[in-house]
Amino acid sequence: AQSVTQLDSQVPVFEEAPVELRCNYSSSVSVYLFWYVQYPNQGLQLLLKYLSGSTLVKGINGFEAEFNKSQTSFHLRKPSVHISDTAEYFCAVRSRGAQKLVFGQGTRLTINP
Amino acid sequence: NAGVTQTPKFRILKIGQSMTLQCTQDMNHNYMYWYRQDPGMGLKLIYYSVGAGITDKGEVPNGYNVSRSTTEDFPLRLELAAPSQTSVYFCASSQEQGALGTGELFFGEGSRLTVL
Repeated sequence: AQSVTQLDSQVPVFEEAPVELRCNYSSSVSVYLFWYVQYPNQGLQLLLKYLSGSTLVKGINGFEAEFNKSQTSFHLRKPSVHISDTAEYFCAVRSRGAQKLVFGQGTRLTINP
Repeated sequence: NAGVTQTPKFRILKIGQSMTLQCTQDMNHNYMYWYRQDPGMGLKLIYYSVGAGITDKGEVPNGYNVSRSTTEDFPLRLELAAPSQTSVYFCASSQEQGALGTGELFFGEGSRLTVL
C-alpha cells in the first residue's frame, strides 16, 4: 500500500525568506510524485510532478522539489516566497500500476510581511 | 475551456435529506473522482470511475452513491444526509493511459456541504 506523510501541518515564514515543505512517502514499487496547491476557496491545481529522470523538478511560480529515493522524500522548496504563495500545499503519490492518487494531510503555508 | 465544473458551490441540508452533487468535465477524460476534504485530514477518495458505466469504491464510500452514464458526468448522491458528511467535496478528472498514466488530476472548485 502507498502512503504519504507531510511532516508539518503549518509553516509560517516571512516574505522573501526561503521555505521548505516536507513530504515522505512509502510504497513497495516505483512511484509518481506530485505537489498540488490550493489557494483559498479554490480547487487544487498541479504545482509540479516527478515521473522519472532528473530528481530535481521545477514547477510553476518558482517552486522546485527533489526526489530522494533513499530517504523516500519529495520536499518542496522555494528560495524566496511572496505573499501570493499563501495557500495549502498537498503532496501526493501514485504507485506505478495503481489507479489512484493518495494525498498527504496538507501543509498550510502562511507568509508574513 | 471550462475544465471540471461542480454544482452547487454551497448547500445546507437537514439530517435525513438527500441531494446530488453534480460534476461535469469537458476534457474527454476517462477517469473521474470524488474526494472529500476535512480540515487537517487532506483529501479522502469517496468513489472513482475509469469510464462510462464503471465505478468503484474509494477509501470512504459509506453514505454515498455514484453513477457514470456518460464520459462527461459523474454525479455524487447522498441518500440520508448525516452531520458526519459536512465537508468540502471535490470532483476531479484525469486522462489515464494505462500503465503509463501519470495520474495528474484536474479539480473542480469544490462544493461546500453543511448538514444540520
